[in-house]
Amino acid sequence: ELKVEQNPLFLSMQEGKNYTIYCNYSTTSDRLYWYRQDPGKSLESLFVLLSNGAVKQEGRLMASLDTKARLSTLHITAAVHDLSATYFCAGGPGANSKLTFGKGITLSVRP
Amino acid sequence: DGGITQSPKYLFRKEGQNVTLSCEQNLNHDAMYWYRQDPGQGLRLIYYSQIVNDFQKGDIAEGYSVSREKKESFPLTVTSAQKNPTAFYLCASSINRGTEAFFGQGTRLTVV
Repeated sequence: ELKVEQNPLFLSMQEGKNYTIYCNYSTTSDRLYWYRQDPGKSLESLFVLLSNGAVKQEGRLMASLDTKARLSTLHITAAVHDLSATYFCAGGPGANSKLTFGKGITLSVRP
Repeated sequence: DGGITQSPKYLFRKEGQNVTLSCEQNLNHDAMYWYRQDPGQGLRLIYYSQIVNDFQKGDIAEGYSVSREKKESFPLTVTSAQKNPTAFYLCASSINRGTEAFFGQGTRLTVV
């Protein structure tokens, strides 16, 4: 069964600095998703990564997938307060499998 | 606008009551899901459905029931057998199982 681990679970970031957060998974996953959740709100889809080496960028966020290392990273460039939220990754071992979510990483950007 | 609508946004349940959470989508998605989220926790899958009139238990199905009589609708009933139902419930749908899931706005259920 696929297990998804995110670390760290909480990250305090300083405005203007760069950070990277990680999503590891235990078995083969041919797809990896990143979601954002603001406090008390639902999940918003950020990135869909469907192949080894896939890289997607949106604003200050860049996500990548290394299926051989079973690792996805989310890189934050020049953190700003608006990026404060909880970020979840989710994977699925096959085309017709259920998604398994990590526990989420809560990012807090301080001045 | 296409999307997923959950209602109500807030729901209060008395001890021993069954309550039903509504989830409707107009995205023409085949797969629909119910997740539970407890404070500071990730998402846990309650039930999912890949097609009308078919659904499967997820990781924490005990005390819950669902139906899928129409493609657009996937209501979740929290029964009195669920001893700790206070949580944030999220409904999602996807084109088919395993593809990108889109979420509703959630229902916050509180036992009073």
